[in-house]
Amino acid sequence: EAQVTQNPRYLITVTGKKLTVTCSQNMNHEYMSWYRQDPGLGLRQIYYSMNVEVTDKGDVPEGYKVSRKEKRNFPLILESPSPNQTSLYFCASSSGGAGFYEQYFGPGTRLTVT
Amino acid sequence: AQSVSQHNHHVILSEAASLELGCNYSYGGTVNLFWYVQYPGQHLQLLLKYFSGDPLVKGIKGFEAEFIKSKFSFNLRKPSVQWSDTAEYFCAVNNFEAAGNKLTFGGGTRVLVKP
Repeated sequence: EAQVTQNPRYLITVTGKKLTVTCSQNMNHEYMSWYRQDPGLGLRQIYYSMNVEVTDKGDVPEGYKVSRKEKRNFPLILESPSPNQTSLYFCASSSGGAGFYEQYFGPGTRLTVT
Repeated sequence: AQSVSQHNHHVILSEAASLELGCNYSYGGTVNLFWYVQYPGQHLQLLLKYFSGDPLVKGIKGFEAEFIKSKFSFNLRKPSVQWSDTAEYFCAVNNFEAAGNKLTFGGGTRVLVKP
């Protein structure tokens, strides 16, 4: 089954404790992206990756890091989480190339930073 | 930068009522348009999409949307809602020429359908 998976689904942590949220897709997609969802603001893009070893900032990259060492994985790293990063996070993937392709979303990770 | 506005933050309806959710975007060039739905506790699902062609697009679960280029709008409609349509709805826009694969989302509209 074609899917995007994220782990963990729920996470409660404390300020300053480094964490990683994993994202994996089994569709051989070139493009992957992270969004955060906050009430009234919709989803905002954090980082994206056009392919392996190619990443770039989205609209709200501060406080986050990403890496793309393998095509299927795109982890989101919070080196020193703060309470304002409490949010619902979604990973998405799509085919790349010339033109836009439909994005497939993961199930979301609800992060609480206390 | 492109932006997307959804006019209503909350909508409360009774079953069998008609639903229309507004969406306006700021970019004047070629756009790809989407409506996503998020049921309580679930992830985003694509309801429908517009890339080109007929501006009246039909999606899943009886939803449709109309692209009106002159008004920069892509409103979502359903003639008769059901309790199971209770969800949050997001309009999203892609301008591939300017922003590659990036999707810009509206703030969402929470729809509550009362049985």
